[in-house]
Amino acid sequence: EAQVTQNPRYLITVTGKKLTVTCSQNMNHEYMSWYRQDPGLGLRQIYYSMNVEVTDKGDVPEGYKVSRKEKRNFPLILESPSPNQTSLYFCASSLSRWGEGLADTQYFGPGTRLTVL
Amino acid sequence: SQKIEQNSEALNIQEGKTATLTCNYTNYSPAYLQWYRQDPGRGPVFLLLIRENEKEKRKERLKVTFDTTLKQSLFHITASQPADSATYLCAWEDSGTYKYIFGTGTRLKVLA
Repeated sequence: EAQVTQNPRYLITVTGKKLTVTCSQNMNHEYMSWYRQDPGLGLRQIYYSMNVEVTDKGDVPEGYKVSRKEKRNFPLILESPSPNQTSLYFCASSLSRWGEGLADTQYFGPGTRLTVL
Repeated sequence: SQKIEQNSEALNIQEGKTATLTCNYTNYSPAYLQWYRQDPGRGPVFLLLIRENEKEKRKERLKVTFDTTLKQSLFHITASQPADSATYLCAWEDSGTYKYIFGTGTRLKVLA
């Protein structure tokens, strides 16, 4: 089954304790992206990746890191989480390729609800 | 800066009626717009994409229009059902940057 998976689905942590949220897709998609969703603010893009070893900042990258060492995986790293990073996080992927725009379906993962105390 | 606005936070309609949701954009003319459905606590699901040269796109009971003069996209659900209750999001690509911009969404509730 074609899907985007994220782990963990729920996480409660404390300020400053490094964490990684994993994201994996099995559709051989080149474009992958991380979003956070907060009430009243909608979905905001954190980072995106056009392909292996190619990543770039979205609208709200501060406090986050990503890596794309393999095509299927795109982990989100919070080196020193703070309470303002408490949010619902989504990973997404699409076929979109460099030079062709983003007019392709984005497939979203199930979400990771993160609470930073 | 580019901005995308959806017309209201919540819309309640009676079952069987047509729901119409609005997505307005400013300071930019997107080449295409996407519409997604999101259920509470779940990831958005792609519904339709409409390009600027397509005035209308249909998929079953869904219809999307794109008016570049009014800078607006309308999303219609005909013969609405309680199962259509969800939040609907519009989105576009930030001009040539490979970044997505999403609207805050409209929460639709279809009353039985």
